[in-house]
Amino acid sequence: DAGVIQSPRHEVTEMGQEVTLRCKPISGHDYLFWYRQTMMRGLELLIYFNNNVPIDDSGMPEDRFSAKMPNASFSTLKIQPSEPRDSAVYFCASRPGQMNTEAFFGQGTRLTVV
Amino acid sequence: AQSVAQPEDQVNVAEGNPLTVKCTYSVSGNPYLFWYVQYPNRGLQFLLKYITGDNLVKGSYGFEAEFNKSQTSFHLKKPSALVSDSALYFCAVRESYNTDKLIFGTGTRLQVFP
Repeated sequence: DAGVIQSPRHEVTEMGQEVTLRCKPISGHDYLFWYRQTMMRGLELLIYFNNNVPIDDSGMPEDRFSAKMPNASFSTLKIQPSEPRDSAVYFCASRPGQMNTEAFFGQGTRLTVV
Repeated sequence: AQSVAQPEDQVNVAEGNPLTVKCTYSVSGNPYLFWYVQYPNRGLQFLLKYITGDNLVKGSYGFEAEFNKSQTSFHLKKPSALVSDSALYFCAVRESYNTDKLIFGTGTRLQVFP
């Protein structure tokens, strides 16, 4: 298996533009997580899905952020409009349904909003 | 609410010496505990986990961790450090029954000097 695949690896955009980050989880994994990593706040859980259904989005910073999982093999995290403070590394992770399993992380998308 | 603390921002150790990276946790039920490692510009890689059973858990690359329920700790250890172990280490906790969320500590940077 290729692991969790995220695209793009790097994104530079201007303030106010829409940004879409993409994630393909490991096949057969029931859970998908979106995290954000910054120097100031560390790793923050933004939202997670179970069987394509959003379960907890309490970590989403504000309404500018939205996430979808239209099917078991694809998820998106969208920021509209983007702001410089959204600059961070965004990670997607997935894991199987069993409670005692670990999550597998993608390589991340480094987002820079100028 | 569950939480995890890594009290040291950085740990410095000479190559060949033993290393310890500290982690304490807080959950209302039984914890599932994890250690991940992050190399520069990479995603998080799973090292080891404690679910139940033996308090000493062995993982990848010669690392091990000891679960101590009375002290609510899960310190990461290695008998003999390598320069290549230099990286950012994250402790994470999930409550065993109440939530799917995996909450990370702030990370500890391990620097192994030749």
